[in-house]
Amino acid sequence: GQNIDQPTEMTATEGAIVQINCTYQTSGFNGLFWYQQHAGEAPTFLSYNVLDGLEEKGRFSSFLSRSKGYSYLLLKELQMKDSASYLCAVDGYGQNFVFGPGTRLSVLP
Amino acid sequence: SAVISQKPSRDICQRGTSLTIQCQVDSQVTMMFWYRQQPGQSLTLIATANQGSEATYESGFVIDKFPISRPNLTFSTLTVSNMSPEDSSIYLCSAHLAGGVGDEQFFGPGTRLTVL
Repeated sequence: GQNIDQPTEMTATEGAIVQINCTYQTSGFNGLFWYQQHAGEAPTFLSYNVLDGLEEKGRFSSFLSRSKGYSYLLLKELQMKDSASYLCAVDGYGQNFVFGPGTRLSVLP
Repeated sequence: SAVISQKPSRDICQRGTSLTIQCQVDSQVTMMFWYRQQPGQSLTLIATANQGSEATYESGFVIDKFPISRPNLTFSTLTVSNMSPEDSSIYLCSAHLAGGVGDEQFFGPGTRLTVL
C-alpha cells in the first residue's frame, strides 16, 4: 500500500524558519518531490531528493532519509508570499507519483 | 524545463455530456500524466499517458470514463465521459523530464470543470 503523511496546517511568523515534515510508506521509491501550491494555481516544483541528505536551494532546503521513510522541507527567512500549501510526493516504481495530503502554511506578519 | 499548456482553462458542462481536455508540451517528454484535484484536496493521479499505447490507469479510474490519447511525445488528451456533478474538479496535465541536471515534474495550469 501507499501512505504519505504530512501535518495539515502550520503557522509561522515572517522572517522565521519553518520545517514541514513528510513521512511515507510506499511499495516502491525512486525519489521524493516537494511542491508549492498557491490557492487556485497549479503546483510548482521545489525539489526532488533521491539520495539521503540535505539539498539547499536558496531559502528552501529539502532533506531525505530513505531508511526512515522521512523527508522535510525547510523554509528560511519566511515571507508573506510563502503562505501556500506544500505537497510532498513520492516517485514510486513505474514512475507514478503519490501525493501527500498537503500542508497549509500561513505566514503571519 | 518544460512549458505546458491546457485547453480549455475552464468549462461548465451539463450532466451526461463529455469534455475533452488537451495538453501541449513545448518539448518532447518521456512521461505525461493526468491528475485530478478536487476542492480542498491534494492531487490524485488518474493515469499515465503512454505514447503509442494504452494509458495506465490508477485504482478507481477506468478507460471508459477517462479515455486518454497520446499520439506523440508532446501532446495528450483526457476525456471526461458521461459527466456527473461529482466530476467537478480541476484536471491537471503533467510532464516528467528525466536526466540532465535532475528529474523534474512540470504541471500545466489546469482545467477547472464544473458539471451542473
